[in-house]
Amino acid sequence: DTEVTQTPKHLVMGMTNKKSLKCEQHMGHRAMYWYKQKAKKPPELMFVYSYEKLSINESVPSRFSPECPNSSLLNLHLHALQPEDSALYLCASSQDVGGNTGELFFGEGSRLTVL
Amino acid sequence: KQEVTQIPAALSVPEGENLVLNCSFTDSAIYNLQWFRQDPGKGLTSLLLIQSSQREQTSGRLNASLDKSSGRSTLYIAASQPGDSATYLCALRVDYKLSFGAGTTVTVRA
Repeated sequence: DTEVTQTPKHLVMGMTNKKSLKCEQHMGHRAMYWYKQKAKKPPELMFVYSYEKLSINESVPSRFSPECPNSSLLNLHLHALQPEDSALYLCASSQDVGGNTGELFFGEGSRLTVL
Repeated sequence: KQEVTQIPAALSVPEGENLVLNCSFTDSAIYNLQWFRQDPGKGLTSLLLIQSSQREQTSGRLNASLDKSSGRSTLYIAASQPGDSATYLCALRVDYKLSFGAGTTVTVRA
């Protein structure tokens, strides 16, 4: 099973709402990632978790708050977002982080619209 | 900083023609290179992974080559089909980070 599952597939929220995106993998991978992708652009890295600890934050605004409850789950908590945060949010996982860690597997993404 | 370029940005071919997609990069100190496919509004599907020490990888109709000395990778798709229509992205891993190209959008005409 090489599947990364993301929920919800679509999310519409107001600027004062609090919502969460969820990601799950059962490949035994120890590295999990959040990427943001705007239309017709490549994905941009936001956060990296390694062994359930946040190892990389690519200077992401604090209105995005990641959480890794266990080795299979990754959440992205959203609060007080701006319309320009509307994008496709992609979760990914790999065997490990750093060095030659093999393939990166992506989920189908969560399409976020901020009104 | 790693710069990754994919040319052309878009490509339209008749069904049955072979596809050749190019990816060039500036820094050869990579761990691996991965080719992805992305359908509109969907996530990225991994197609092939080439390790730094390898020259090519094959899977079915797909073949990807890697030449670090010239900073190039090429994805070949044989006998294209309308279902191959998608955006293809190459990505290079340096440490924890993937550097993506902007992608080549392929349309295969029936």
